[in-house]
Amino acid sequence: EVQLVESGGGLVQPGGSLRLSCAASGFTFSRFWMHWVRQGPGKGLVWVSTINSDGRTTNYADSVKGRFTISRDDAKNTLYLHMDSLRADDTAVYYCARDVRALGVMSYFHPWGQGTLVTVSS
Amino acid sequence: DIQMTQSPSSLSASVGDRVTITCRASQTINMYLNWYQQKPGEAPKLLIYAASTLQSGVPSRFSGSGSGTDFTLTISSLQPEDFATYFCQQSYSNPTWTFGQGTKVESK
Repeated sequence: EVQLVESGGGLVQPGGSLRLSCAASGFTFSRFWMHWVRQGPGKGLVWVSTINSDGRTTNYADSVKGRFTISRDDAKNTLYLHMDSLRADDTAVYYCARDVRALGVMSYFHPWGQGTLVTVSS
Repeated sequence: DIQMTQSPSSLSASVGDRVTITCRASQTINMYLNWYQQKPGEAPKLLIYAASTLQSGVPSRFSGSGSGTDFTLTISSLQPEDFATYFCQQSYSNPTWTFGQGTKVESK
């Protein structure tokens, strides 16, 4: 069974740092692009960051660029999101998701992890 | 940036009703459009990808259509387990992605 399990969320003060992890199982992790998506309290889904299969290419939403870093360890089948300079508006449930390509080009996210809650507050 | 706008933001319906949700892109995205279902406290679940392809295991009462800028998710006969929030997502601007704001389907 393909499974993604996030961890590392918690309460952090404004300006602080946190590292999220996403443990993957049930598929060949190294072959897939991976994503982080977040959802603020009562809000919609917002794409945060993406890393390609070899880890050499990363992309970020403008709202997190320069503060968040996505990475992967294929030996551990784990995706990471290192978050610095956290702000109150970073408070959200953070999901990891696997990228799948229909016809080789049409990207969709499947499956998603259960999410980990990050709360930025003093 | 490509903006995705869903309508309505919420709707009330009864079991057995036909439900239609629309998603409009701010520019053409061909068929690079996905639909997800999210229930409270749960992760989003893929329903439809590439505008009209049903994900394996998803009931056939769900269908998607459209291309270009206008897309539709239809539930042909609403079931109790379908009360949830639905999100569209464009993947045309890969490697950035955008979601619609969501449509909450509530019980009438």
